[in-house]
Amino acid sequence: EAGVTQFPSHSVIEKGQTVTLRCDPISGHDNLYWYRRVMGKEIKFLLHFVKESKQDESGMPNNRFLAERTGGTYSTLKVQPAELEDSGVYFCASSQDPEFTEAFFGQGTRLTVV
Amino acid sequence: GEDVEQSLFLSVREGDSSVINCTYTDSSSTYLYWYKQEPGAGLQLLTYIFSNMDMKQDQRLTVLLNKKDKHLSLRIADTQTGDSAIYFCAESANSGGYQKVTFGTGTKLQVIP
Repeated sequence: EAGVTQFPSHSVIEKGQTVTLRCDPISGHDNLYWYRRVMGKEIKFLLHFVKESKQDESGMPNNRFLAERTGGTYSTLKVQPAELEDSGVYFCASSQDPEFTEAFFGQGTRLTVV
Repeated sequence: GEDVEQSLFLSVREGDSSVINCTYTDSSSTYLYWYKQEPGAGLQLLTYIFSNMDMKQDQRLTVLLNKKDKHLSLRIADTQTGDSAIYFCAESANSGGYQKVTFGTGTKLQVIP
């Protein structure tokens, strides 16, 4: 069975441009999470989907970030316009039930804004 | 918000034991976790402990939890070069019926042959 996959693995964009990250969760997993790690710092929660609904988006930094999960399958995270401080590694995780003990992570997307 | 703190680096010799420490602030934590991240890979759950336990052992891994001091540790016995990675401590607490997870900064473990 395929794990959590993220696209692209790396992205380098200029300040002011738009970038869209994608996460394909494990099939059947209702819960999908986005996290971000800025260089050398902690991994920070961004938001949590249950199916297509946003259960918790308290970690989204500002309105330049837009996450969607149409149909409750894959999710996208769009940053528009990107700023230098948005650079980091964006992780996606999915789980079948609310207990995070069964969550699986993708390999992450490394975003560099120059 | 809740905080999870770890030291940034640890260097050990192959065959020795490694102990990675973590402190957290959330007194209502449900679970505490240790994740491993190898270069270019995602986070892999190594082990977790329920907050009402004080120890869990799984092969070479031993997790100790001191709930009073909010201190968690991960001991890796007979450390191997393949254990070189970043280790993240995390805690979760109930939030609206779901577990909301807070991670630390990660400890980079370097194993010297």
